[in-house]
Amino acid sequence: AAGVIQSPRHLIKEKRETATLKCYPIPRHDTVYWYQQGPGQDPQFLISFYEKMQSDKGSIPDRFSAQQFSDYHSELNMSSLELGDSALYFCASSHTSGALEVTQYFGPGTRLLVL
Amino acid sequence: GEDVEQSLFLSVREGDSSVINCTYTDSSSTYLYWYKQEPGAGLQLLTYIFSNMDMKQDQRLTVLLNKKDKHLSLRIADTQTGDSAIYFCAEISNDYKLSFGAGTTVTVRA
Repeated sequence: AAGVIQSPRHLIKEKRETATLKCYPIPRHDTVYWYQQGPGQDPQFLISFYEKMQSDKGSIPDRFSAQQFSDYHSELNMSSLELGDSALYFCASSHTSGALEVTQYFGPGTRLLVL
Repeated sequence: GEDVEQSLFLSVREGDSSVINCTYTDSSSTYLYWYKQEPGAGLQLLTYIFSNMDMKQDQRLTVLLNKKDKHLSLRIADTQTGDSAIYFCAEISNDYKLSFGAGTTVTVRA
C-alpha cells in the first residue's frame, strides 16, 4: 500500500539559511499534518491542513510557513534556520472528510541538521 | 507531551510479555493510539482503540483502556528482539491534533 512520502530524507543547512521540506500524502487523504521531533523527545505538532486550508496551528515558529497544494502535497518552508531547528520533521496524512475515525499515518521523516 | 505520560524505559527478556503503560488527560479523546519508532526511523502505527472499547487484540498486541482512570496499556506477547524500539502512546484532540507521550524505550534482552 502507498505510504506517506517525504523528501528529502536528510538535509544539512547552515544557520540563517532556508529549507523546504516536502510531503506527499497517501492517495485520497485530504489532511496533512507536520510534526517536529527533537533529539530524545516526542513529536510536537506544528501545523495541519485540510483540503488545502490551514486547519490548526501548534508550536510553529513565525520563521516557518507551510501550505498544501491542489494535488494535496504539502511543503514546510523554514527560514533563518537556527541550531535548535535541528530535528526530525514528520509529515502525516489522514482521510478526514466524512470519516468516523481519523488515523494519521506518518512518513519516514526528514532529518534536518543545522550547522 | 506533558498531557500524556509514560514510563521511560522497559527491559524485557525475549519470549516474555511486555506491558507499556500510559495515562492521558483529554477525556474527550475519541481514539487512542500506539506508535512504534525504531532507531532513526519514522513512526509506525501499531494499533488504536476507540474510546468506548475496553480492550482490543491484534495478533501479539493487546490494548487495554480504562477510561475512568484515563489509563491505556499495550501488551506485547512473546516479545522478540525486533520489538526493541520506542513506543509512543498518543491521544487525539477534537481538531485531530495528536499529543504524544514521551515514549517508552523497550529493550529486549536475550
